[in-house]
Amino acid sequence: SQTIHQWPATLVQPVGSPLSLECTVEGTSNPNLYWYRQAAGRGLQLLFYSVGIGQISSEVPQNLSASRPQDRQFILSSKKLLLSDSGFYLCAWSRGAVDEQFFGPGTRLTVL
Amino acid sequence: GENVGLHLPTLSVQEGDNSIINCAYSNSASDYFIWYKQESGKGPQFIIDIRSNMDKRQGQRVTVLLNKTVKHLSLQIAATQPGDSAVYFCAETQSNDYKLSFGAGTTVTVRA
Repeated sequence: SQTIHQWPATLVQPVGSPLSLECTVEGTSNPNLYWYRQAAGRGLQLLFYSVGIGQISSEVPQNLSASRPQDRQFILSSKKLLLSDSGFYLCAWSRGAVDEQFFGPGTRLTVL
Repeated sequence: GENVGLHLPTLSVQEGDNSIINCAYSNSASDYFIWYKQESGKGPQFIIDIRSNMDKRQGQRVTVLLNKTVKHLSLQIAATQPGDSAVYFCAETQSNDYKLSFGAGTTVTVRA
């Protein structure tokens, strides 16, 4: 069966510090991978998606970036965090384009 | 921006009653729809999906109805249980599009 992991589960970072969130998927190959952000009490905002190694599409211009160094690894990064980067970050995967997405447990990021 | 919205942000239901959660979407080209359930502090979980060539689909205790004429989607939960308390999101996409657009969510609270 397929599983998706995210870490860390929670993170508190000062403004201006760097960020690296990691997501890995097991039990499948060549998945589509996604990063979402969810503000408190709100829906999900798609940040990045990837259809293959090294292929990243950005949906929202901001100070975040994503990378996919391996088939089942997706990383969300920032060089300098802003207060507005606080939120719940979710990684997801799908088999194809028009297909259900499976979500990881999320990372709660608080920028102080 | 969000292409999918929800009519009501909250829904309070008596245990054992049926629940109906509504969703309106604006993109007439959307042809795949998903309902997700998100419990506090967790990632969304897939409940049920429906493609545009159908107007009804049933799962275990859940039914999704799609009315393409008025661009309306609903989720019916039969015999609502305390474990059904969560935020419910509808999401939509169209063929060959990797992106899911999520609504803002409806918070369902089950009264004992």
